[in-house]
Amino acid sequence: GAGVSQSPRYKVAKRGQDVALRCDPISGHVSLFWYQQALGQGPEFLTYFQNEAQLDKSGLPSDRFFAERPEGSVSTLKIQRTQQEDSAVYLCASSGGGGTEAFFGQGTRLTVV
Amino acid sequence: GENVEQHPSTLSVQEGDSAVIKCTYSDSASNYFPWYKQELGKRPQLIIDIRSNVGEKKDQRIAVTLNKTAKHFSLHITETQPEDSAVYFCATYTGRRALTFGSGTRLQVQP
Repeated sequence: GAGVSQSPRYKVAKRGQDVALRCDPISGHVSLFWYQQALGQGPEFLTYFQNEAQLDKSGLPSDRFFAERPEGSVSTLKIQRTQQEDSAVYLCASSGGGGTEAFFGQGTRLTVV
Repeated sequence: GENVEQHPSTLSVQEGDSAVIKCTYSDSASNYFPWYKQELGKRPQLIIDIRSNVGEKKDQRIAVTLNKTAKHFSLHITETQPEDSAVYFCATYTGRRALTFGSGTRLQVQP
């Protein structure tokens, strides 16, 4: 596609439910990032992939968060046993690598009730 | 790790005035400094960026300046228009290969 695509756009989960968020990066982009954006705040780094390798997961807030990119393209962010504090917009971005422009998806707004 | 501070958190200007947003960073290894604009409910979009070997860059009404010695960079918007109203984020890139964002500035341009 022409841009970064994320699905679903909106997700409402009951507390304790598992969720999976999908990101389709721009074709050919080797770098993929996940960010968490709380209301009124800047995006907070979660994790980074270069191709299929997860090079940095230092931003994942707990072991309930897991991300993968098995074939170096589509990525999935999984949150297990969701908590209310997980409610946020989850942004995915991709870039050609290194210090180059990162393009963001529309985000997935997760609401945990 | 990198720490990026952004000021002010909110900024209100009259249409036609200039707006300046400033960011400071901590990691001297940072070498790429983009600015993103995020309209309500939309994705962040790059508006201008600068690399560490350049001190200033302009693109029409938007300019960015970088002072590597002092570890700060600024976004300048001249002749502001109502459509400039949005949240602006600065970011830095280091060898960690991920962008670190500031907390954002909500710019309101009053017509």
